[in-house]
Amino acid sequence: KAGVTQTPRYLIKTRGQQVTLSCSPISGHRSVSWYQQTPGQGLQFLFEYFSETQRNKGNFPGRFSGRQFSNSRSEMNVSTLELGDSALYLCASSLAGPGGNTIYFGEGSWLTVV
Amino acid sequence: QQPVQSPQAVILREGEDAVINCSSSKALYSVHWYRQKHGEAPVFLMILLKGGEQKGHEKISASFNEKKQQSSLYLTASQLSYSGTYFCGSPAGGGADGLTFGKGTHLIIQP
Repeated sequence: KAGVTQTPRYLIKTRGQQVTLSCSPISGHRSVSWYQQTPGQGLQFLFEYFSETQRNKGNFPGRFSGRQFSNSRSEMNVSTLELGDSALYLCASSLAGPGGNTIYFGEGSWLTVV
Repeated sequence: QQPVQSPQAVILREGEDAVINCSSSKALYSVHWYRQKHGEAPVFLMILLKGGEQKGHEKISASFNEKKQQSSLYLTASQLSYSGTYFCGSPAGGGADGLTFGKGTHLIIQP
């Protein structure tokens, strides 16, 4: 079974631009969550989607947004990029059934803002 | 709220044991443990769903004390491959599957 796939793996953007990152979950997984990882702040929860609906959102500004498609694939967008947005962005998927669900991470997208 | 992990860093010799703690100021309904090596994605270790639950595989095990709102990860007879950063996570809330993670514990195993 293929794992969580994220694209692109590496990208460099200029301040003020916007970026879209893509995530394909493990087949059959219906929940997709996104995280930002930086050396200073660690691994921070951005948002989680299930059946095309955002169920929860972390403490990030509105410049960070996401969506989920009917096939469970997800995208996240960051507008008006700032230098501090440079980070590893991780996508994770899970079955989203009842009870605690194991969450599996993709390899991540490394974003550098210059 | 973010779980609190301790210690922040540990340096061990191969074969020594380690304990990593994770506590929360809010109720923990489940605890998820991950290990991340430099430049790689976090890898799932185990999930504990019930208070008092203990799990383990090979020489890594964990316990969950729901009343005390804490969990501990035990690494026995550590191997070089155990080096990395260990994170505990708890549900972010809202019925969602996302996790709020602690800041991590850096574990270095020396030969």
